[in-house]
Amino acid sequence: DTAVSQTPKYLVTQMGNDKSIKCEQNLGHDTMYWYKQDSKKFLKIMFSYNNKELIINETVPNRFSPKSPDKAHLNLHINSLELGDSAVYFCASSLGAGNNSPLHFGNGTRLTVT
Amino acid sequence: AQSVTQPDIHITVSEGASLELRCNYSYGATPYLFWYVQSPGQGLQLLLKYFSGDTLVQGIKGFEAEFKRSQSSFNLRKPSVHWSDAAEYFCAVGFFGNEKLTFGTGTRLTIIP
Repeated sequence: DTAVSQTPKYLVTQMGNDKSIKCEQNLGHDTMYWYKQDSKKFLKIMFSYNNKELIINETVPNRFSPKSPDKAHLNLHINSLELGDSAVYFCASSLGAGNNSPLHFGNGTRLTVT
Repeated sequence: AQSVTQPDIHITVSEGASLELRCNYSYGATPYLFWYVQSPGQGLQLLLKYFSGDTLVQGIKGFEAEFKRSQSSFNLRKPSVHWSDAAEYFCAVGFFGNEKLTFGTGTRLTIIP
């Protein structure tokens, strides 16, 4: 009965490959997010979707493409992986836009690019 | 642009001692403020939040935080820490109508016996 689940937990791949991370939430939330946490633990938002609509798109290389097939899912596809993409990627969800409801985080996907 | 500062990168506290983790924010309007905790290998879990009203808020696991507008601070406190409190703590700030929470750089808490 995990609230926000993301897969895989670990992802090791070589430079130039394409990979995807999946996220699902069963909380009935309208808004989902992708955050990136670097090696210094700095957490930065990448994308946010509200009811399948993109509402936040930070300065992220266009090799990163989020996709939300429905409001319970938000996947992240990364093309042409680079060494600097190595990080922990967190999916999160919240009740909705504009009310600053707390975020519920998944347990993260540790991506290592070699 | 809003920003959050957590001045202490790493704090070590003896088990049973009191704890205060500092958080300062920079933003003109009244912020929404959060504290999250991250255990190793886990996602972030909400400890408490402040939106409005009473400036002293109570959270889970015996934590509390006080919003001080004059000091632009939202420090996290606990009167007596337990070994299980060892984790990374993040302060975050947002404001009404903006889904983009800004996180501080975190404070790592170590508990010694």
